[in-house]
Amino acid sequence: GQQLNQSPQSMFIQEGEDVSMNCTSSSIFNTWLWYKQDPGEGPVLLIALYKAGELTSNGRLTAQFGITRKDSFLNISASIPSDVGIYFCSGPDYGGSQGNLIFGKGTKLSVKP
Amino acid sequence: NAGVTQTPKFRVLKTGQSMTLLCAQDMNHEYMYWYRQDPGMGLRLIHYSVGEGTTAKGEVPDGYNVSRLKKQNFLLGLESAAPSQTSVYFCASSQGNSPLHFGNGTRLTVT
Repeated sequence: GQQLNQSPQSMFIQEGEDVSMNCTSSSIFNTWLWYKQDPGEGPVLLIALYKAGELTSNGRLTAQFGITRKDSFLNISASIPSDVGIYFCSGPDYGGSQGNLIFGKGTKLSVKP
Repeated sequence: NAGVTQTPKFRVLKTGQSMTLLCAQDMNHEYMYWYRQDPGMGLRLIHYSVGEGTTAKGEVPDGYNVSRLKKQNFLLGLESAAPSQTSVYFCASSQGNSPLHFGNGTRLTVT
């Protein structure tokens, strides 16, 4: 079945540093979604990508829909302590449950002030 | 503007006890979902519903039952809790293929 592989699994960075994480799949996706989960809360949508090659920004966050449609990247510039959390990539579950998303296992970000 | 609300927030059960988790959404979404989140496993779909009165199994349905008697509510039941069901449970809703909106989770411990 479809699987999303996220890397790195975790990151420990200094405040002010830029962050890069990615998500890859063996199958093609037509939509990529990036969610962030703050400690003790549910995931919240950050950025949605709907077209191969698309580059979309949301404040200090920028995400790209890979041209092969099998990968996506999320970058955070000038990190701040509130960027701490788990970042999930996700895409439609084409082979399974209707309307469902499948999720990567997440990249856990820690920011040292 | 509540979005997706889950109750309770925390619960401790003994093995063999039963309970129901409640999810309510006020966005008139057709689709609702129950996920569990375990360390290192990401989010896994338990059951979902594409409309009032309909439910379907997800990736990890065993040991759980669900009901969608009203469009705005989606209930997750554990008939006989097991320690393997210790997890954080998230409810989500969406309108078709739109992004999911999540609740803030229910942390369940089964001893």
